[in-house]
Amino acid sequence: DTAVSQTPKYLVTQMGNDKSIKCEQNLGHDTMYWYKQDSKKFLKIMFSYNNKELIINETVPNRFSPKSPDKAHLNLHINSLELGDSAVYFCASSQVYTPHWGYTFGSGTRLTVV
Amino acid sequence: ELKVEQNPLFLSMQEGKNYTIYCNYSTTSDRLYWYRQDPGKSLESLFVLLSNGAVKQEGRLMASLDTKARLSTLHITAAVHDLSATYFCAVDPPGRYGGSQGNLIFGKGTKLSVKP
Repeated sequence: DTAVSQTPKYLVTQMGNDKSIKCEQNLGHDTMYWYKQDSKKFLKIMFSYNNKELIINETVPNRFSPKSPDKAHLNLHINSLELGDSAVYFCASSQVYTPHWGYTFGSGTRLTVV
Repeated sequence: ELKVEQNPLFLSMQEGKNYTIYCNYSTTSDRLYWYRQDPGKSLESLFVLLSNGAVKQEGRLMASLDTKARLSTLHITAAVHDLSATYFCAVDPPGRYGGSQGNLIFGKGTKLSVKP
């Protein structure tokens, strides 16, 4: 019974295409995130949603648009994909005011743009 | 801008030896996390450190937090091959009204290789 699940696990697509990554958590957490891990393994936050409201929107191209239909889901839509978007994208969740619970990460989506 | 620096970035150890990974951060925070990542896998939570002087141990790993020095350490005792992985520390800056800002800032990771 996966706590934070992402689909797809692998995504290979051509430049210029539009793609989406889905994320769902069954932990009852109120906040969800998207992180990007680049080829050097560096992890950086992209977006944070608390109860369906955008809280953090780091400097990412506006081709990236998060969508949260409810607090258990946070999807990432990417328009006009570029080679530089190739990375591993991790979804995560937490209960913001109970930090001892920590952050739970999904298994990641490896995006390859060719 | 909050910075989190880990060192070393690469660590090759022999089995049975001890070593420490250091994590320095540049702003006030009393929330620090350690994660493990195996190649091609997700991040596995190891420790959550929430106060000055916090020390937690799990098996051959022990983590500590000194918020005054803005330093956390991950100590490895009698390393075994199964500990080979990349280890990340991450800081959770406080929000405007306390609580969590909800934005983990990661170090660059320490790639640990334990050899027989």
